[in-house]
Parts: sequence; structure tokens; C-alpha cells
Amino acid sequence: EIVLTQSPGTLSLSPGERATLSCRASQSVSSTYLAWYQQKPGQAPRLLIYGASSRATGIPDRFSGSGSGTDFTLIISRLEPEDFAVYYCQQHGSSPLTFGQGTKLEIK
Amino acid sequence: EVQLVQSGAEVKKPGESLKISCKGSGYSFTNFWIAWVRQMPGKGLEWMGIIYPGDSDTRYSPSFQGQVTISVDKSISTASLQWSSLEASDTAMYYCARLSSSWYSDYWGQGTPVTVSS
Repeated sequence: EIVLTQSPGTLSLSPGERATLSCRASQSVSSTYLAWYQQKPGQAPRLLIYGASSRATGIPDRFSGSGSGTDFTLIISRLEPEDFAVYYCQQHGSSPLTFGQGTKLEIK
Repeated sequence: EVQLVQSGAEVKKPGESLKISCKGSGYSFTNFWIAWVRQMPGKGLEWMGIIYPGDSDTRYSPSFQGQVTISVDKSISTASLQWSSLEASDTAMYYCARLSSSWYSDYWGQGTPVTVSS
């Protein structure tokens, strides 16, 4: 089973700033099958990024993903008020499809 | 429009059985895996398992193997998650999600809250 570790646990930033979220895997993720999801309170998760760097339909281009092997990054280039939420990474290359523990992005 | 509509909130007692459901529409239900994900109160997402409606092929996370049963009725485009004997620790929100051909979750249900309390 691939274990995903996200850092930091909580990130405090202001609107307009750049956010960098990290996801590290315990072993190499096959074919860069790494996804990122956003979850707001009381809502289901929403797909942001798949295949490490491909944006899902309707996702603004301020969201970008990168990485390969065991190290992956989600960058939000310029934070909007609606971006403050919890972000999860998930490897979708092999069963079980594990999630990271999440990074909470909060307003500073 | 792709939609996954889950059954409503449940309140149960320890030891009771439960089956919750997830109905897919707007796409070819038998051609996409369905996943179940648990979220305990104030906690993160936990992947429970998946089922392929076309042939009922099922995979479980080791953490949930033997604890729950995932099934499907393709005649009514519905996947299900069931417990034979609930425990208080099963109190959580449960989401179903459709998996793309590359196994990321592209569409999610609205969630079913389950409360187990004596």
C-alpha cells in the first residue's frame, strides 16, 4: 500500500499570495497517477488535478500540479477567497487508491 | 449530466445492519468503477474499496476488508455499501465516487451521514 504524506498540515496565507502544497509517496507512483482534490466544509470533495499535472474540467488555471516518482506539488498561484479549504492528494495508479491526510489552507 | 445520488441520512444502534446506496445517471453505469470513501467527523478521506458494475469485480482496502460489503445492482444503476453489525466507530460521512478510466474520482455523490449510537 502506498502511503501519502502531505505537508504542511496547515498553511496560513492571505488572499493574493501563492500557496505551495506538498505530497510525498512512500514508493513511486506509477505513471504519475497522482490527483488533488479540494474539499470545503459540508461539501463533497472536488477533483482539481489528475495525472499529476492535468487540470480537471472547469478548474481555473491558477491551480497547477507537478511532480513525479514520489514527490508532487500543488501550487495555487494567487489565492482567491474561495480557495481556502482542505486539499487532499490521492494516488490513482494502484489499488488501494490511498489518500494523503490533507492540508488545511486557512486565511491568515 | 453525470450524477451520483446517495441515499439519505441514517441513525442506527450498535449491532444493527445497514445498507446505503449510490445511484448513477447520465452515463453508462456499467463501464465505470464506483468507489466508496469514508470521512469520520473532523478527519480526512479514507478509501474503502471499489466495484466495477459491469462484472461486479470488487477490490477492498485492507483496512476495510471483512468490515463492509460493496455490491451493485446494474439493473437499477445502483451501488451499495453495507454493514452486518454496526459499531459506534462507523459513525461517519460516506461518499461514493465515479472513477475515470485512469481511476481518479471525477464525480462524487453528495454523501450519506451515518450515526451509530445507543
